[in-house]
Amino acid sequence: DGGITQSPKYLFRKEGQNVTLSCEQNLNHDAMYWYRQDPGQGLRLIYYSQIVNDFQKGDIAEGYSVSREKKESFPLTVTSAQKNPTAFYLCASSIRGWETEAFFGQGTRLTVV
Amino acid sequence: RKEVEQDPGPFNVPEGATVAFNCTYSNSASQSFFWYRQDCRKEPKLLMSVYSSGNEDGRFTAQLNRASQYISLLIRDSKLSDSATYLCVVNIDGYNKLIFGAGTRLAVHP
Repeated sequence: DGGITQSPKYLFRKEGQNVTLSCEQNLNHDAMYWYRQDPGQGLRLIYYSQIVNDFQKGDIAEGYSVSREKKESFPLTVTSAQKNPTAFYLCASSIRGWETEAFFGQGTRLTVV
Repeated sequence: RKEVEQDPGPFNVPEGATVAFNCTYSNSASQSFFWYRQDCRKEPKLLMSVYSSGNEDGRFTAQLNRASQYISLLIRDSKLSDSATYLCVVNIDGYNKLIFGAGTRLAVHP
């Protein structure tokens, strides 16, 4: 089945540690996105990538890093510099970008303890 | 001013009611518009795209008003299963990214 997969579903991290969230898609989509959602709030864009080896900062990129070495993979690293990392992280992909439907993974709930 | 604004609700309606949501956007160059549905603690899923001429999908109707810079979603004959948060999504031309509104919560009761 084609789709977009995020792992793990739940993640606990100690303060001061970096952690990497996985996002893989087999839809052959060019564009991939990372969003963050806090309770009762909308999605905020962290990073996005239109093609391999290229990515752009979104509205809240500070404390996060990404890579896009392969078309199907767009991992997100939450670094210790991110002051408030506990949130629901959603990865999405779309065929070409902004004009086409975005498909989401099931999300990763990150809790810093 | 936020790029995309929605009334957070909640809208509490009985089964069978008709309910409408509006969403305003600030960038007049926006070109693509969508409504997504998000169930509690789940990922958003596309409900429908919004076309300039308006479009309908069963009980759902979406409209775009470029002059006033808003889109709307009308749900007729509400079902219990329509209870969810509805997210308005707009592209910002030239930025190659989708911007999500904070969502409008709908609760349909028996």
